[in-house]
Amino acid sequence: DVKVTQSSRYLVKRTGEKVFLECVQDMDHENMFWYRQDPGLGLRLIYFSYDVKMKEKGDIPEGYSVSREKKERFSLILESASTNQTSMYLCASSFLSRETSEQYFGPGTRLTVT
Amino acid sequence: KQEVTQIPAALSVPEGENLVLNCSFTDSAIYNLQWFRQDPGKGLTSLLLIQSSQREQTSGRLNASLDKSSGRSTLYIAASQPGDSATYLCAVRRDGGSQGNLIFGKGTKLSVKP
Repeated sequence: DVKVTQSSRYLVKRTGEKVFLECVQDMDHENMFWYRQDPGLGLRLIYFSYDVKMKEKGDIPEGYSVSREKKERFSLILESASTNQTSMYLCASSFLSRETSEQYFGPGTRLTVT
Repeated sequence: KQEVTQIPAALSVPEGENLVLNCSFTDSAIYNLQWFRQDPGKGLTSLLLIQSSQREQTSGRLNASLDKSSGRSTLYIAASQPGDSATYLCAVRRDGGSQGNLIFGKGTKLSVKP
């Protein structure tokens, strides 16, 4: 079974803090993704990575950065947290090959910025 | 720009009923379409993946169809059970361009009453 884990289920941070969200997958997937999910807006892609040290911006990268130093781990960084970054954050992974590109999701991290 | 729409936004049915969830997309240049289930406050669970060359996929009581030319997919759930209550999301993978990121609909919230 594919397993994608996220470091925290719930997180509360103060405005201006630097926040790290960690994601780990155990299926040797090349692709890893960070989404945020908000009521009425659905899931939106923040960043993704298709290889170690490679990253590409998604639809809403502003205020975020990412790090991928090892194939199994993809970190999302909020450089200076703001209240509009309060959201559910979901990590996903998949193989690079188009034929086997099913995405698998982690349990999510609900982040509240006060 | 690809847009994915799911109608209805919410659906309530009695236990045992067969039901159909709808998904439409504006750009037929997709590589595949994936259906997910999301329980409240949780991550996404992949249900079915249909490649653009396929017409349907089946898993247990679930059957998903794809009509790429008309930009539609349906998820058929047979003999619904209270445990099927969840939000169902469809997502399309764009053909070409970014490495496999998905465009999501906003979901259909299903409630199956005992």
